[in-house]
Amino acid sequence: SQQGEEDPQALSIQEGENATMNCSYKTSINNLQWYRQNSGRGLVHLILIRSNEREKHSGRLRVTLDTSKKSSSLLITASRAADTASYFCATEIVGGSNYKLTFGKGTLLTVNP
Amino acid sequence: DADVTQTPRNRITKTGKRIMLECSQTKGHDRMYWYRQDPGLGLQLIYYSFDVKDINKGEISDGYSVSRQAQAKFSLSLESAIPNQTALYFCATSEHRTDTQYFGPGTRLTVL
Repeated sequence: SQQGEEDPQALSIQEGENATMNCSYKTSINNLQWYRQNSGRGLVHLILIRSNEREKHSGRLRVTLDTSKKSSSLLITASRAADTASYFCATEIVGGSNYKLTFGKGTLLTVNP
Repeated sequence: DADVTQTPRNRITKTGKRIMLECSQTKGHDRMYWYRQDPGLGLQLIYYSFDVKDINKGEISDGYSVSRQAQAKFSLSLESAIPNQTALYFCATSEHRTDTQYFGPGTRLTVL
């Protein structure tokens, strides 16, 4: 079963609107990361939030983390057509010598001009 | 120049062939990773290496092997390719302190 699950699977909005994507996970984590992927290309890191943090901002991005609900949200404000991409959350778990960064299936965001 | 490069970018091969995908990085990172991406399934970790002498299996290592030739190079091999290994393969790097991963452009592999 998937550790990280994004919701919704697809989101279509108009330029200028805000886009909110959610991520839920099952087990305790060290940190949660959001990545962006343009079609068929490599992932680009957007923001990392650690388990002891509740909110982080980076430009037009705002990420929240609620460890009690095991969920995170990514808000993109004032969206642009260039924001069209797939967005993935990834949860990092480190235990002893084991390392695991698990990606969700992604949210496909389409921003219409 | 790209910090993380992958070769080849596209490869079509036949069932049973041995394939090697190569990854090089100029970021000076100790940690390197190989992922595969299938449509609608996100990324799955195949192998990871925290330094030249450290190799670890990920979620889906069966049918794959890796070699960390140097800090900057991490190659992935499919000893005997099969059609369900058709996917997009990504290499990534990170440094210990930040945990952020930097991805290469990907290799699209098709096994006929």
